[in-house]
Amino acid sequence: GENVEQHPSTLSVQEGDSAVIKCTYSDSASNYFPWYKQELGKRPQLIIDIRSNVGEKKDQRIAVTLNKTAKHFSLHITETQPEDSAVYFCAASRVDDMRFGAGTRLTVKP
Amino acid sequence: EAQVTQNPRYLITVTGKKLTVTCSQNMNHEYMSWYRQDPGLGLRQIYYSMNVEVTDKGDVPEGYKVSRKEKRNFPLILESPSPNQTSLYFCASSFGGRTEAFFGQGTRLTVV
Repeated sequence: GENVEQHPSTLSVQEGDSAVIKCTYSDSASNYFPWYKQELGKRPQLIIDIRSNVGEKKDQRIAVTLNKTAKHFSLHITETQPEDSAVYFCAASRVDDMRFGAGTRLTVKP
Repeated sequence: EAQVTQNPRYLITVTGKKLTVTCSQNMNHEYMSWYRQDPGLGLRQIYYSMNVEVTDKGDVPEGYKVSRKEKRNFPLILESPSPNQTSLYFCASSFGGRTEAFFGQGTRLTVV
Protein backbone atom coordinates (compact mmCIF):
# COMPACT_ATOMS: atom_id res chain seq x y z
CA GLY A 1 0.00 0.00 0.00
CA GLU A 2 0.85 3.66 -0.07
CA ASN A 3 3.47 5.02 2.33
CA VAL A 4 3.73 8.75 2.92
CA GLU A 5 6.73 10.27 4.69
CA GLN A 6 6.67 13.86 5.94
CA HIS A 7 9.50 16.13 7.09
CA PRO A 8 10.25 17.87 9.31
CA SER A 9 8.20 16.73 12.28
CA THR A 10 8.54 20.14 13.93
CA LEU A 11 9.32 23.53 12.41
CA SER A 12 9.75 26.86 14.13
CA VAL A 13 9.97 30.12 12.16
CA GLN A 14 9.87 33.82 12.87
CA GLU A 15 6.77 35.72 11.83
CA GLY A 16 7.18 36.89 8.25
CA ASP A 17 9.57 34.10 7.27
CA SER A 18 8.69 31.27 4.90
CA ALA A 19 7.99 27.67 5.91
CA VAL A 20 8.44 24.58 3.75
CA ILE A 21 7.15 21.09 4.53
CA LYS A 22 8.09 18.14 2.34
CA CYS A 23 6.44 14.79 1.68
CA THR A 24 7.31 11.73 -0.34
CA TYR A 25 5.00 8.94 -1.44
CA SER A 26 5.62 5.43 -2.69
CA ASP A 27 2.68 4.43 -4.91
CA SER A 28 2.84 5.77 -8.45
CA ALA A 29 -0.95 5.20 -8.71
CA SER A 30 -1.56 8.07 -6.26
CA ASN A 31 -2.76 11.12 -8.13
CA TYR A 32 -4.34 13.45 -5.59
CA PHE A 33 -2.29 15.24 -2.93
CA PRO A 34 -4.13 17.31 -0.33
CA TRP A 35 -2.75 19.25 2.62
CA TYR A 36 -4.68 19.58 5.86
CA LYS A 37 -4.25 22.00 8.74
CA GLN A 38 -5.19 21.00 12.26
CA GLU A 39 -5.37 23.72 14.86
CA LEU A 40 -5.09 22.78 18.50
CA GLY A 41 -8.11 20.80 19.65
CA LYS A 42 -9.81 20.94 16.26
CA ARG A 43 -10.40 18.68 13.31
CA PRO A 44 -8.13 18.61 10.25
CA GLN A 45 -9.32 20.87 7.44
CA LEU A 46 -8.23 21.06 3.83
CA ILE A 47 -6.12 24.10 2.95
CA ILE A 48 -4.90 23.25 -0.54
CA ASP A 49 -4.68 20.27 -2.86
CA ILE A 50 -3.01 19.34 -6.14
CA ARG A 51 -3.66 16.69 -8.74
CA SER A 52 -1.01 14.78 -10.62
CA ASN A 53 -1.55 16.61 -13.90
CA VAL A 54 -0.43 19.90 -12.30
CA GLY A 55 3.05 20.84 -11.12
CA GLU A 56 2.23 23.81 -8.90
CA LYS A 57 -0.78 25.50 -7.34
CA LYS A 58 -1.04 28.72 -5.36
CA ASP A 59 -3.63 30.21 -3.07
CA GLN A 60 -2.57 33.55 -1.60
CA ARG A 61 0.32 32.81 0.80
CA ILE A 62 0.15 29.05 0.32
CA ALA A 63 1.57 27.04 -2.55
CA VAL A 64 2.06 23.37 -3.26
CA THR A 65 4.50 21.83 -5.73
CA LEU A 66 4.50 18.28 -7.07
CA ASN A 67 7.29 16.28 -8.68
CA LYS A 68 5.71 13.08 -9.98
CA THR A 69 8.96 11.64 -11.24
CA ALA A 70 10.60 11.90 -7.85
CA LYS A 71 7.34 11.17 -6.02
CA HIS A 72 7.53 14.16 -3.73
CA PHE A 73 5.43 17.21 -3.04
CA SER A 74 5.88 20.25 -0.83
CA LEU A 75 3.85 22.89 0.97
CA HIS A 76 5.19 26.44 0.98
CA ILE A 77 3.83 29.14 3.28
CA THR A 78 5.14 32.64 2.74
CA GLU A 79 4.94 35.64 5.09
CA THR A 80 4.00 33.40 7.98
CA GLN A 81 1.71 34.72 10.70
CA PRO A 82 1.06 33.48 14.25
CA GLU A 83 -2.29 32.05 13.14
CA ASP A 84 -0.41 29.71 10.80
CA SER A 85 0.77 27.83 13.90
CA ALA A 86 -0.80 24.36 13.69
CA VAL A 87 -0.10 20.77 12.71
CA TYR A 88 0.01 20.23 8.95
CA PHE A 89 -0.63 16.86 7.31
CA CYS A 90 0.12 15.87 3.76
CA ALA A 91 -1.74 13.00 2.12
CA ALA A 92 -1.55 10.91 -1.03
CA SER A 93 -4.64 9.38 -2.51
CA ARG A 94 -5.65 6.80 -5.09
CA VAL A 95 -9.20 6.16 -6.20
CA ASP A 96 -9.99 4.03 -3.18
CA ASP A 97 -7.68 5.20 -0.46
CA MET A 98 -6.05 8.17 1.24
CA ARG A 99 -2.91 7.91 3.37
CA PHE A 100 -1.53 10.66 5.58
CA GLY A 101 1.94 11.66 6.63
CA ALA A 102 2.86 11.83 10.31
CA GLY A 103 2.35 15.59 10.48
CA THR A 104 4.48 18.70 10.99
CA ARG A 105 3.98 20.96 13.98
CA LEU A 106 4.61 24.50 12.76
CA THR A 107 5.21 27.24 15.30
CA VAL A 108 5.34 30.86 14.14
CA LYS A 109 7.02 33.08 16.70
CA PRO A 110 5.87 36.71 16.87
CA GLU B 1 -25.22 22.73 7.27
CA ALA B 2 -22.94 20.13 5.66
CA GLN B 3 -21.18 18.20 8.36
CA VAL B 4 -19.76 14.98 9.76
CA THR B 5 -20.96 14.26 13.29
CA GLN B 6 -19.28 11.93 15.72
CA ASN B 7 -20.53 10.84 19.11
CA PRO B 8 -19.46 10.82 21.82
CA ARG B 9 -16.78 13.53 21.87
CA TYR B 10 -15.16 12.12 24.99
CA LEU B 11 -15.32 8.63 26.45
CA ILE B 12 -13.59 6.91 29.34
CA THR B 13 -14.20 3.19 29.57
CA VAL B 14 -12.77 0.07 31.13
CA THR B 15 -10.87 -2.73 29.44
CA GLY B 16 -13.15 -5.26 27.77
CA LYS B 17 -16.37 -3.23 27.79
CA LYS B 18 -17.78 -3.07 24.27
CA LEU B 19 -18.34 0.38 22.86
CA THR B 20 -19.51 2.04 19.66
CA VAL B 21 -18.52 5.43 18.30
CA THR B 22 -21.08 6.73 15.84
CA CYS B 23 -20.38 8.74 12.70
CA SER B 24 -22.98 10.34 10.48
CA GLN B 25 -22.65 12.59 7.42
CA ASN B 26 -25.31 14.60 5.57
CA MET B 27 -23.41 15.27 2.33
CA ASN B 28 -24.42 12.08 0.47
CA HIS B 29 -20.78 10.99 0.37
CA GLU B 30 -19.99 7.47 -0.84
CA TYR B 31 -16.62 7.22 0.89
CA MET B 32 -16.22 7.11 4.67
CA SER B 33 -13.24 6.22 6.82
CA TRP B 34 -11.98 6.04 10.37
CA TYR B 35 -8.57 7.26 11.57
CA ARG B 36 -6.80 7.25 14.87
CA GLN B 37 -4.41 10.04 15.75
CA ASP B 38 -1.52 9.42 18.10
CA PRO B 39 1.39 11.77 18.87
CA GLY B 40 4.17 11.42 16.31
CA LEU B 41 2.21 8.91 14.23
CA GLY B 42 -0.17 11.18 12.39
CA LEU B 43 -3.52 9.95 11.11
CA ARG B 44 -3.56 6.21 10.65
CA GLN B 45 -6.44 4.65 8.78
CA ILE B 46 -8.40 1.96 10.61
CA TYR B 47 -11.14 1.04 8.12
CA TYR B 48 -12.74 2.61 5.10
CA SER B 49 -15.88 2.11 3.07
CA MET B 50 -16.41 2.99 -0.57
CA ASN B 51 -20.16 2.50 -0.41
CA VAL B 52 -22.99 0.76 1.42
CA GLU B 53 -22.12 -2.80 2.46
CA VAL B 54 -18.50 -2.37 1.25
CA THR B 55 -15.77 -2.06 3.88
CA ASP B 56 -12.01 -2.60 3.78
CA LYS B 57 -9.17 -2.68 6.27
CA GLY B 58 -6.80 0.22 6.56
CA ASP B 59 -3.38 0.17 8.18
CA VAL B 60 -4.40 -0.57 11.78
CA PRO B 61 -7.66 -2.60 11.79
CA GLU B 62 -6.86 -4.99 14.64
CA GLY B 63 -9.33 -4.71 17.50
CA TYR B 64 -11.89 -2.72 15.52
CA LYS B 65 -15.02 -3.47 13.52
CA VAL B 66 -17.16 -1.30 11.28
CA SER B 67 -20.41 -1.58 9.39
CA ARG B 68 -22.00 0.40 6.56
CA LYS B 69 -25.65 -0.48 6.42
CA GLU B 70 -26.72 3.02 5.35
CA LYS B 71 -24.90 5.57 3.24
CA ARG B 72 -24.87 8.25 5.93
CA ASN B 73 -23.67 6.15 8.92
CA PHE B 74 -20.37 4.42 9.58
CA PRO B 75 -20.04 3.31 13.23
CA LEU B 76 -16.76 2.15 14.74
CA ILE B 77 -17.06 -0.77 17.14
CA LEU B 78 -14.54 -1.84 19.75
CA GLU B 79 -15.72 -5.24 20.94
CA SER B 80 -13.14 -5.60 23.72
CA PRO B 81 -11.25 -2.32 24.16
CA SER B 82 -7.71 -2.39 25.51
CA PRO B 83 -5.51 0.44 26.87
CA ASN B 84 -3.50 0.57 23.62
CA GLN B 85 -6.67 1.78 21.90
CA THR B 86 -6.57 4.96 23.93
CA SER B 87 -6.40 7.58 21.21
CA LEU B 88 -8.11 10.42 19.36
CA TYR B 89 -10.43 9.06 16.67
CA PHE B 90 -11.65 10.86 13.57
CA CYS B 91 -14.32 9.88 11.10
CA ALA B 92 -14.11 11.38 7.61
CA SER B 93 -16.24 11.34 4.49
CA SER B 94 -15.80 12.36 0.87
CA PHE B 95 -17.10 11.71 -2.65
CA GLY B 96 -14.18 9.37 -3.22
CA GLY B 97 -10.55 8.75 -2.38
CA ARG B 98 -9.41 11.57 -4.67
CA THR B 99 -11.57 14.35 -3.29
CA GLU B 100 -11.60 16.54 -0.17
CA ALA B 101 -12.20 14.63 3.03
CA PHE B 102 -14.44 16.24 5.66
CA PHE B 103 -13.65 15.27 9.23
CA GLY B 104 -15.84 14.88 12.26
CA GLN B 105 -15.04 16.71 15.51
CA GLY B 106 -13.09 13.80 16.90
CA THR B 107 -13.66 11.36 19.77
CA ARG B 108 -11.12 11.20 22.55
CA LEU B 109 -11.20 7.67 23.94
CA THR B 110 -9.47 6.56 27.12
CA VAL B 111 -9.41 2.87 28.04
CA VAL B 112 -8.35 2.13 31.61
